[in-house]
Amino acid sequence: SQELEQSPQSLIVQEGKNLTINCTSSKTLYGLYWYKQKYGEGLIFLMMLQKGGEEKSHEKITAKLDEKKQQSSLHITASQPSHAGIYLCGADSGGSNYKLTFGKGTLLTVNP
Amino acid sequence: DAGITQSPRHKVTETGTPVTLRCHQTENHRYMYWYRQDPGHGLRLIHYSYGVKDTDKGEVSDGYSVSRSKTEDFLLTLESATSSQTSVYFCAISVRGPGNTEAFFGQGTRLTVV
Repeated sequence: SQELEQSPQSLIVQEGKNLTINCTSSKTLYGLYWYKQKYGEGLIFLMMLQKGGEEKSHEKITAKLDEKKQQSSLHITASQPSHAGIYLCGADSGGSNYKLTFGKGTLLTVNP
Repeated sequence: DAGITQSPRHKVTETGTPVTLRCHQTENHRYMYWYRQDPGHGLRLIHYSYGVKDTDKGEVSDGYSVSRSKTEDFLLTLESATSSQTSVYFCAISVRGPGNTEAFFGQGTRLTVV
């Protein structure tokens, strides 16, 4: 089955700093999702990438899927306390059943 | 939020009792998922469904069963709850369209097995 490894597991940054979270797959990615979760709350969809080399942005958050479609990076520019939370990447298995699995998440803390 | 409702939102139950969690959607999407979320483990897939009566196991299916007798409802049953099943359970649906796909999550069910 497809496994997703996120790094780092946790990250503490000063407000205003840039940061990057990585998601590496054991298999080719057919669809890669990024979500954000505030502690104790539901998941908020950020973006989904499908094509190798594809890049999408949502406010100050940019995600990219590499050409080989086995790794994605999420980059936050000029971080703010509102960016704090857990970031999860998810992967679509492809095929007709669309099994959707997730990594363990990255806990982001932004200090004012 | 694609009209997803989970019920109940909170439940405390005793070890050995059966428990059923319900995920209801209002928009007839085909793909539905049940996950559990625990500290240090992220979201782990329990079971998923790709149509009425079409279900398959995820990574952590032991001790859980599911049923999908109609498009809008996906039920997760703990046949005999154990303390290790104390967790937050999330339901999700996958919305697939030309050139774009999104997965929406319910607000979660916090289950405590005592």
